[in-house]
Amino acid sequence: NAGVMQNPRHLVRRRGQEARLRCSPMKGHSHVYWYRQLPEEGLKFMVYLQKENIIDESGMPKERFSAEFPKEGPSILRIQQVVRGDSAAYFCASSRGTGLDNEQFFGPGTRLTVL
Amino acid sequence: AQTVTQSQPEMSVQEAETVTLSCTYDTSESDYYLFWYKQPPSRQMILVIRQEAYKQQNATENRFSVNFQKAAKSFSLKISDSQLGDAAMYFCAYRRGNNNDMRFGAGTRLTVKP
Repeated sequence: NAGVMQNPRHLVRRRGQEARLRCSPMKGHSHVYWYRQLPEEGLKFMVYLQKENIIDESGMPKERFSAEFPKEGPSILRIQQVVRGDSAAYFCASSRGTGLDNEQFFGPGTRLTVL
Repeated sequence: AQTVTQSQPEMSVQEAETVTLSCTYDTSESDYYLFWYKQPPSRQMILVIRQEAYKQQNATENRFSVNFQKAAKSFSLKISDSQLGDAAMYFCAYRRGNNNDMRFGAGTRLTVKP
């Protein structure tokens, strides 16, 4: 009964490099959500995906950020040409479906540091 | 837009005492859900308690209970018999009934004094 898995747990990148964050949802879950937590702040919604589809990306910056959830494999949050302001903890959550009974379970997060 | 406000950046409580964390929210929706999450130093997000807006009865989970005032758009968390392990950041969160993204407050850091 593995929970939501995220890797890596810590990622260090230099300005201008690319960051790839992975999220494996819980078994049986087909809905994935990405959140960003800046230091001393709450989590901010970024994007909601269902297998092979982006359902809502209203919280994701228009440039440099992209997300995917392929038919096979983990969901990927990709940040191109990282800047210092991208330094944050990125959390993934998954749910079986929609509605209250489909609780979102959170992963342990990936802490991204941009030097 | 839905917003969640936690007006207490930090709170402290003596072990075994009771503490209440405040949360207010703004919404024009009638169907929504409210949550309290705990984030210990490990940064794992742990669901503490949740409340459906259509339910008048306040949710309780062991030592944790909420005071849900729908008209006032207030959703406070009460922790009874505080334990050292309760020390953490606590986040209030809101979710619309027909949506899946959650809106979080800025958090309250709770310290428990032995």
